[in-house]
Amino acid sequence: NAGVTQTPKFQVLKTGQSMTLQCTQDMNHNYMYWYRQDPGMGLRLIHYSVGAGITDQGEVPNGYNVSRSTTEDFPLRLLSAAPSQTSVYFCASSSGTRRGYTFGSGTRLTVV
Amino acid sequence: AQTVTQSQPEMSVQEAETVTLSCTYDTSESDYYLFWYKQPPSRQMILVIRQEAYKQQNATENRFSVNFQKAAKSFSLKISDSQLGDAAMYFCAYSTRVGSYGKLTFGQGTILTVHP
Repeated sequence: NAGVTQTPKFQVLKTGQSMTLQCTQDMNHNYMYWYRQDPGMGLRLIHYSVGAGITDQGEVPNGYNVSRSTTEDFPLRLLSAAPSQTSVYFCASSSGTRRGYTFGSGTRLTVV
Repeated sequence: AQTVTQSQPEMSVQEAETVTLSCTYDTSESDYYLFWYKQPPSRQMILVIRQEAYKQQNATENRFSVNFQKAAKSFSLKISDSQLGDAAMYFCAYSTRVGSYGKLTFGQGTILTVHP
C-alpha cells in the first residue's frame, strides 16, 4: 500500500548541477504530475503525463525534463540547477479527474 | 485560463469553534470539480473534500463541509468543532471535467492556526 513514493526528501545542489527526482506509483494510475510549491503561489504544474510514452508541459516547464517509460515511474530531471528552482517539489498520480490526486511526500530542493 | 484565488493568507480559530476558509475561481466551463487539500507541517498533501459542479448539494465529510455557490464562483470550506490537528495550510483547487487530464489549478493557500 505504498501509493506514490518520491525520493529524495531533501536535496542541496550547487548552481549548474543536474539531478533527477524520482517518482513511483503502484496504483496503476495513468495520470502523473510534477508540481512545485512556492510561498504565496500555491502549487504550479511543471509537467504531466497521461500514460507511458506520453508527456506534456505544464505552466512552468522551463529548466525541467520528464519521461515516462513505464506506467509506474515518472522522473523529473533538472538539467542545470538555478537558485530560482529552489522549491518544494511534489509528484502526484490520479486515475481520473473526479478522484483528485494521491501525492508523494515532497522533495525540498535548495540550489545554492 | 482558469484561476483560483484564496484571499486569506492566514486564519486562526479557537479549538472547538467554527472557521470558514474562502476560495473563488474564474472559469468559462460549466462542468468541473473543486477540491480542498490540507497540508500539515509534515508536508503531506491530503484530500479533504471534493465537489462536483453539476451537483447542487454541498459536499460534507464529517466536520468539513463546503458552501458551493456556482453562480458566484465561490467555494468556501467550513471546519466545525476545530481541533488542534486541523492546523495546516489549506489549498483550494479546480479541474475541468473534460479534456484536462486531471490537471489541477491551485490557489495560493491559507494557513490555519488553531488555538487551544
